[in-house]
Amino acid sequence: DAKTTQPTSMDCAEGRAANLPCNHSTISGNEYVYWYRQIHSQGPQYIIHGLKNNETNEMASLIITEDRKSSTLILPHATLRDTAVYYCIVRGRGQAGTALIFGKGTTLSVSS
Amino acid sequence: DVKVTQSSRYLVKRTGEKVFLECVQDMDHENMFWYRQDPGLGLRLIYFSYDVKMKEKGDIPEGYSVSREKKERFSLILESASTNQTSMYLCASSFKQTGNYGYTFGSGTRLTVV
Repeated sequence: DAKTTQPTSMDCAEGRAANLPCNHSTISGNEYVYWYRQIHSQGPQYIIHGLKNNETNEMASLIITEDRKSSTLILPHATLRDTAVYYCIVRGRGQAGTALIFGKGTTLSVSS
Repeated sequence: DVKVTQSSRYLVKRTGEKVFLECVQDMDHENMFWYRQDPGLGLRLIYFSYDVKMKEKGDIPEGYSVSREKKERFSLILESASTNQTSMYLCASSFKQTGNYGYTFGSGTRLTVV
């Protein structure tokens, strides 16, 4: 499985954009990039995923480089409620790649 | 609202007990998963299931077994609970479609083995 590298922690001021990087240099052509986040004491929450093109939804934007070796999750206007651990994941393993393997993620702290 | 429901939020069991953690989803998902989460170690996959009566080992299956008799229910079994199985256990489910693996997680069961 392709592995990901994320910074251990990041800080962001409330109202500013939070840009969370992820390196996945061994990603293969048919592997997707997924982002989840986990707010303290809750189960992880799906944010967004993409293959090649940039993606945007109501929560965030995902920018994937042309060579697909890295990506950035963008929270355009971070709020205190965005303080969480953010996980960048590529594919998984098992039957038809059905299981996502979580790393340790990036702890994002948003402060006022 | 779609849901993954775990039967207990907090559970305290004694060493050597057989423990059942139950998970039910109402989204008609084919896939179901059990993870455990420990400080500094992140989420680790224990077992998953991609169909009724089917199961596949994750990274840390030792000391655990699972049961999936119905599509909506996935049970994690600790055959003989030990203190090193004290952890937060998270259940998740998803559709099987290739490339669309949005998981829905439950709220977790915090298990303490004494």
